[in-house]
Amino acid sequence: QKEVEQDPGPLSVPEGAIVSLNCTYSNSAFQYFMWYRQYSRKGPELLMYTYSSGNKEDGRFTAQVDKSSKYISLFIRDSQPSDSATYLCAMSERAGFQKLVFGTGTRLLVSP
Amino acid sequence: DGGITQSPKYLFRKEGQNVTLSCEQNLNHDAMYWYRQDPGQGLRLIYYSQIVNDFQKGDIAEGYSVSREKKESFPLTVTSAQKNPTAFYLCASSFRDRTYEQYFGPGTRLTVT
Repeated sequence: QKEVEQDPGPLSVPEGAIVSLNCTYSNSAFQYFMWYRQYSRKGPELLMYTYSSGNKEDGRFTAQVDKSSKYISLFIRDSQPSDSATYLCAMSERAGFQKLVFGTGTRLLVSP
Repeated sequence: DGGITQSPKYLFRKEGQNVTLSCEQNLNHDAMYWYRQDPGQGLRLIYYSQIVNDFQKGDIAEGYSVSREKKESFPLTVTSAQKNPTAFYLCASSFRDRTYEQYFGPGTRLTVT
């Protein structure tokens, strides 16, 4: 079993839809949870990070962590064609050095 | 503008040749990282460095080498010993006490034939 699982998609939605992207994990010691957006043939871009449980909102994006279920989500409101990309989740046990564990990414397609 | 640059964007080499990928950052970050990305796999850590003149192997260091002579620079050499070098290589950096907040460069696509 992989330490972090992420559905590869693709997830296809119409413009304006609410998108839900998810990751599950097995390591209960993870405390930092990150979401990256990666356009084709580009480097990943850090969207947001969350410490421990709870929600964090940034514009149209909301990150949610449920540590009891070992489940994290990224919600995108009013999705746009420019949101079409691969979304990677990543996790870490602590702030000081430790390697990030990445999911394989979910490809999102938002059609006009 | 602050950021991370990688060069070249595309690189083609013949099998048996060593090749060096460049990574430079002007974010004043202490730590730098090299990852490899293959289709259907998550990012895998090759090497990382927390301070100048010090670096550590990641999960897949065999066939790779690095140096960290300057805070801003962390070049990666892909040697002929790397059995499957064709991949997308990504460099990242962060502050040493905020390694969860890594910022990535645009990547180098290496093709070895």
